[in-house]
Amino acid sequence: DGGITQSPKYLFRKEGQNVTLSCEQNLNHDAMYWYRQDPGQGLRLIYYSQIVNDFQKGDIAEGYSVSREKKESFPLTVTSAQKNPTAFYLCASSHQGARETQYFGPGTRLLVL
Amino acid sequence: AQKVTQAQTEISVVEKEDVTLDCVYETRDTTYYLFWYKQPPSGELVFLIRRNSFDEQNEISGRYSWNFQKSTSSFNFTITASQVVDSAVYFCALSEAYGGATNKLIFGTGTLLAVQP
Repeated sequence: DGGITQSPKYLFRKEGQNVTLSCEQNLNHDAMYWYRQDPGQGLRLIYYSQIVNDFQKGDIAEGYSVSREKKESFPLTVTSAQKNPTAFYLCASSHQGARETQYFGPGTRLLVL
Repeated sequence: AQKVTQAQTEISVVEKEDVTLDCVYETRDTTYYLFWYKQPPSGELVFLIRRNSFDEQNEISGRYSWNFQKSTSSFNFTITASQVVDSAVYFCALSEAYGGATNKLIFGTGTLLAVQP
């Protein structure tokens, strides 16, 4: 089945630690996105990528980094510079273009120990 | 600036009642797209509908219907004869052409719908 997978489902981070969230899609989409969701709030864009080896910052990129070495994969690293990382992280993908629908993965919940 | 407002934070209904979720948006673009997503307790966002700014026809899909009115900048979502499985957070979103080729979604804060048996 085509879709988007995210792993792990839950992730725990210690102080000063970098952690990486995985996102894989087999929908043949060029564009991929990372969003952060805090309780009672909408989704906010962290980073997005339109094609392989290219990515741009979204609204809240500070403390995060990404890579896009393969079309299918768009991992997100939460660095120690992100002081408030506890949140629900959602990955999405779409075909390119403003009218295209974004489809979402199941999400990763990050908690700080 | 583009913005999406979902003024209803929480709605509680009894099964079989009809319920309308409100969405009001702001944009300067003449071409834009509006979306509704459902987020059940599992967390994954499920796509429900996309509308473009040139198509104001209402749409019906089973028990779901959408009312798009450009004059009031609203894109409301109605569930007829609600069921317990409809319990979820519902998000309205607006598409902005960010960087020219990729859509950036502006999300509302969501409406939590609780359907009681």
